[in-house]
Order: sequence, then structure tokens, then C-alpha cells
Amino acid sequence: AQKITQTQPGMFVQEKEAVTLDCTYDTSDPSYGLFWYKQPSSGEMIFLIYQGSYDQQNATEGRYSLNFQKARKSANLVISASQLGDSAMYFCAMRGDRAGYALNFGKGTSLLVTP
Amino acid sequence: NAGVMQNPRHLVRRRGQEARLRCSPMKGHSHVYWYRQLPEEGLKFMVYLQKENIIDESGMPKERFSAEFPKEGPSILRIQQVVRGDSAAYFCASSPPGAVNTGELFFGEGSRLTVL
Repeated sequence: AQKITQTQPGMFVQEKEAVTLDCTYDTSDPSYGLFWYKQPSSGEMIFLIYQGSYDQQNATEGRYSLNFQKARKSANLVISASQLGDSAMYFCAMRGDRAGYALNFGKGTSLLVTP
Repeated sequence: NAGVMQNPRHLVRRRGQEARLRCSPMKGHSHVYWYRQLPEEGLKFMVYLQKENIIDESGMPKERFSAEFPKEGPSILRIQQVVRGDSAAYFCASSPPGAVNTGELFFGEGSRLTVL
């Protein structure tokens, strides 16, 4: 079975500062993928970043980077230089190769960026 | 270059009625997924379909829920005899062939079902 845990229900960060959103996971799959999605108040799900379990380097996409620590089973999202438009819910998700095609999502972290 | 299109965006039904939610995947995408999001929760996988085939329905409730993705037309998620607990946001996502294991899913904006 797979499990995704996001322990921070809510986070605050000041504009232009960096923020780390935590995500830990548990899986028995030897190969898996980790994803982060953003859900603004309008409701759509926006893909941010992907990390494969065998990728040697941490994934980066613009201001987003994924701090992947495989031994600790953590995949934290780092947002640098926060902007007011980053205020949203953030979901960590994973897909395991043996677990079918489903993406399993955490419960999310609400991020509020303040001026 | 339209993204994943879902309609209706909002649907209100009374208990016992039927709800039909439609999803047109992105152009060139042949894989469709349905997810449900309850208030204050993350998304829960329901079903994965390819054209005319249900590949994985392990997340679908055993009764009242069905899904299809016909050769022509959108994918349909059908909920019969709705109950208040069905009130949720239903998201459709699509992915291109070959991207099942490593690729991102492109989500629609969701259909919000309210059961009175």
C-alpha cells in the first residue's frame, strides 16, 4: 500500500522569501514517481514538478525545486522567491509502478503568501 | 489548444436523481482518469480508462457509479441515485500514450456536484 503524508495543514510566508512544504511517503514499490500539484482558489489542479525515484538529481522547474531524500522517504517542495500568486493549496502525490495507474494524493498544505 | 474540458462546472441534484459528468481529454490524449475530492481532502483516484476500455476501476464505489470512454465523444462519469455523501468535486485528467508511468496528468477544472 502507498501512503502520502503532508503534516502541515497551513503555512505562511512573506513575499520574496523561500518556503518548504513537507511531504513524506511510504511505498513498497521499487520504482515510483513523485508529483506536486497546486490548486488555487479557482479549483483547477496545476502540475508543478515531477521526481522519479531513480533520478540522480533533484528536480527543478523555475522557482520550484523538489528536495528528494530517498532514504528518508521525503519529497519536500521548495518555492523560492514567493509571490502573492503562490497562495494556494499544494498537494504531494505519488504513483508506484506496481500499484497501478492511480496517483495517490496527500491531504494538502494551504500556503498563504503575505505582502 | 484546449486543455481538459469538463462540464458542467457546477451541478445540483436532489437525492435519488442521476448525475452525469463529462470530460473531453486534451487533443492527442487517449488516457482518462477520474478523481474525487471531498471537502478539505486530497484527490482520490476513482477510475482509469482508455478508449472503449476500463483499465483500472479499483477506486470506484461498487454501486451507483459507472464510467465510460466511448470511441467517439467525451468520457462520462455517471452517478445514479445520488446521496448527500456524493457531494464533491470530480476531476478528470488525461495523459498521452506512453506517459502512464512517468508523465504528468493534465487536469480539468473539475465538476462540483452538490446533492440537496
